[in-house]
Amino acid sequence: QSALTQPASVSGSPGQSITISCTGTSSDVGGYNYVSWYQQHPGKAPKLMIYDVSYRPSGVSNRFSGSKSGNTASLTISGLQAEDEADYYCNSYTSSSTRVFGTGTQVTVL
Amino acid sequence: QVTLRESGPALVKPTQTLTLTCSFSGFSLSTRRMCVSWIRQPPGKALEWLALIDSDDDRYYSTSLKTRLTISKDTSKNQVVLTLTNMDPVDTATYYCARMAHGSGNFCLYYGMDVWGQGTTVTVSS
Repeated sequence: QSALTQPASVSGSPGQSITISCTGTSSDVGGYNYVSWYQQHPGKAPKLMIYDVSYRPSGVSNRFSGSKSGNTASLTISGLQAEDEADYYCNSYTSSSTRVFGTGTQVTVL
Repeated sequence: QVTLRESGPALVKPTQTLTLTCSFSGFSLSTRRMCVSWIRQPPGKALEWLALIDSDDDRYYSTSLKTRLTISKDTSKNQVVLTLTNMDPVDTATYYCARMAHGSGNFCLYYGMDVWGQGTTVTVSS
């Protein structure tokens, strides 16, 4: 099972919006609405930000939103803040009854 | 409050078997649609999903590591154990366990990993 493809880095200025893409295949991202997104600060455990493509767990800011089109899922961060600087990973259910992570995206707040 | 904590050796030799324990509180693996996954992250690299066990004792494994991995649970002790055989330096990583209980559907593998342990670092070296 190959890792989902994410851009290595995305940057934006405070207050701007950025979007991170996550590209898979019809056997994972495209085939199911079971994509989740995780935020990871250096030296810390990942944190669930989005599940089921577009749902936010309680306590996650509404500045984070998720969507999907075809084989590509996306995470959008609006009103970018310094605290959003972190690595982000997508994760999808697969037709092999496994889960697969993306390659990871480093978000930099300029 | 839900918490998970990984424990195990910090250093293992090549060809040895790694055994890691995830001790958790605040939920029970005897509850339907509750499960625990293991995930690892080599230094400076991406996360990699390894395995999952659910309340029915069904087990799912990474396709690439399936022959080397075993996951099991002790519901009475609130523990999940992961073993990885034939360790190699490329298995050097931080290993995390996480609860999977956030999502729709009736299959744990559909869910998000909503609570994570702090991780335990394992180095493979002779």
